[in-house]
Amino acid sequence: DSGVTQTPKHLITATGQRVTLRCSPRSGDLSVYWYQQSLDQGLQFLIQYYNGEERAKGNILERFSAQQFPDLHSELNLSSLELGDSALYFCASSVGAGGTTDTQYFGPGTRLTVL
Amino acid sequence: QKEVEQDPGPLSVPEGAIVSLNCTYSNSAFQYFMWYRQYSRKGPELLMYTYSSGNKEDGRFTAQVDKSSKYISLFIRDSQPSDSATYLCAMSPPGGSYIPTFGRGTSLIVHP
Repeated sequence: DSGVTQTPKHLITATGQRVTLRCSPRSGDLSVYWYQQSLDQGLQFLIQYYNGEERAKGNILERFSAQQFPDLHSELNLSSLELGDSALYFCASSVGAGGTTDTQYFGPGTRLTVL
Repeated sequence: QKEVEQDPGPLSVPEGAIVSLNCTYSNSAFQYFMWYRQYSRKGPELLMYTYSSGNKEDGRFTAQVDKSSKYISLFIRDSQPSDSATYLCAMSPPGGSYIPTFGRGTSLIVHP
């Protein structure tokens, strides 16, 4: 168990809908990262927050947004969902602001299915 | 061409075999190289990382980097059924707050 929690574990919704994925980082970790994992694309970095502020941005669609709250938990909002958004969404956390030696600890993921 | 290429497998080996998992990359700025292990229905976990070229050993695992060929490997000796998982390579340039670029992962099956 990495200490990172994600809810819900599974989410099934319809195209055009909006969903919110939640992540609680390990105790003491200030950074939260969001990743999307699909069979064809692999693990794709979406966005990173550090102590409440956006730190780095990856291949995140405009339909997706995230935030990190004062208690350091984070939410990823996905809107106008399309079939292609079906994937595993992982949250990871780290102690520092990022960088190669700042080990990321991954949560168990949320499996999103868009029908 | 993707920055990091990794054969998705699956790679099926008998217990006790030596396993070789590999990645190639195109970005010559990459200096840090990592291997993650991901069990089914779990998130990836960092297995080991190396800096620049050379070898690094940790128990049954050896990570090898050949920067001249832009090729990295993970060797698993005396493989066990519990090693069955997907192995993802990841890499990034030095310094700053670079987010690693991940390979697609290779599925490894070690059968008794």
